[in-house]
Parts: sequence; C-alpha cells; structure tokens
Amino acid sequence: DAMVIQNPRYQVTQFGKPVTLSCSQTLNHNVMYWYQQKSSQAPKLLFHYYDKDFNNEADTPDNFQSRRPNTSFCFLDIRSPGLGDAAMYLCATSTQDRADIYSNQPQHFGDGTRLSIL
Amino acid sequence: AQTVTQSQPEMSVQEAETVTLSCTYDTSESNYYLFWYKQPPSRQMILVIRQEAYKQQNATENRFSVNFQKAAKSFSLKISDSQLGDTAMYFCAFMKLSGTYKYIFGTGTRLKVLA
Repeated sequence: DAMVIQNPRYQVTQFGKPVTLSCSQTLNHNVMYWYQQKSSQAPKLLFHYYDKDFNNEADTPDNFQSRRPNTSFCFLDIRSPGLGDAAMYLCATSTQDRADIYSNQPQHFGDGTRLSIL
Repeated sequence: AQTVTQSQPEMSVQEAETVTLSCTYDTSESNYYLFWYKQPPSRQMILVIRQEAYKQQNATENRFSVNFQKAAKSFSLKISDSQLGDTAMYFCAFMKLSGTYKYIFGTGTRLKVLA
C-alpha cells in the first residue's frame, strides 16, 4: 500500500550529538512536512518542502535542518540536540491538487519517530 | 494569523454514551477547512471528519458528527455510542485553502472511554 514511512520508530541520541530522522513516501506527493510533537501537545510544524523549495516556519530553531534529495525522501537533521528536543517527530505528505484534497485526506501522516536525548 | 483553541484538556465518557468535544478558531479567511483528528496512544494521526467552511450542513461520519457554527467560529465534535477504541487524543485543525496546505492544530483533548 502507498504510505508514508518513518525510520526508525525510536531513536536515542546523546546530548549534542547530531541525529538524522528519515521519511519516505510512495504517494508521489509534492509536499512533505516535518512536525515536532511534545508529550500531550499538538503537532507543531517545523518546515515543509514544496517540491524542492524549502519553507521554514518563523519560529523553528536553527538547530533543525532538512534535506529532500528527491520526491520520495525527506530528512530531518538536528545538529546539536538538547534535552528540550526530545519529542515525537511526524512526517506528512500532501498533494497540492485541490481535487485530491476534496476527495481524500489533506495530509498523510507517518507513524512518527520518537526521539530521546540522553 | 489563525488560531485554534480546545478548552477541554481531558474528558471521559462511559461506554455507549455520547460526548462532545469543543473547538473554537479565529480566522479572517473565508475559504477553509476544519478537521478533527484522532491520535491513539503511540499510533498514527487518523482523520475523523472534515467540514468545508462554505457548507452549511454539518458533516457526519457514522458515529461522529460536528456542530459547525461559522459565525461563532465554533466546531465541536460529537461522538455517539462511545466505544473503548475511541480512547485517544483528539485534535481540532484548521487549514486555509490558499498557498501550501498547512494545518494549524489545537492543543488537543484527551478522551478516555470508560468500560
């Protein structure tokens, strides 16, 4: 089945040690999003790619970067993780085709990667 | 800027009973969608129901229905005949239909269905 796949499901890293989370999709959607969700809070959009165009949210810390080498893959890089970066990271995809938005769900979410910082 | 407010951090309901979750939002947009998402513990976000702002008729999906009051900017979710599997976090979300389609989520309501 077409889907959004996040690897790994659980990631542990050390304080200050760079970490990369990955997301892949088989939906061929042109938009990919990264959200940060802390415990019992709403998902917070960090940034998104519209094709190759990177769009950062105004309050996303510089510590968070992203790469999208091709349509299928998108990576979240945390350069120097702090204890406050422990969270669930959700990847989502969407099409900008309004007909598809009307008939389907606007964004397709992966299962998330839970990041712990030691 | 748009904001979404869920004023009930936690709720509980007896199995088979009905519960209503509240959501209010603020926007100057005229063309938008509203959604309710369900997130079971350690599970994926699941779309429960959507409402197009231009439609006056309230959306329904089986046991789930909404009460959409556009003038009041209110969008509540009613769950009828609650089941144990309805236990989850519920997020209200807003999406404007211009630019890239981005969600603005509310802070969520944790719903527990009691046996």
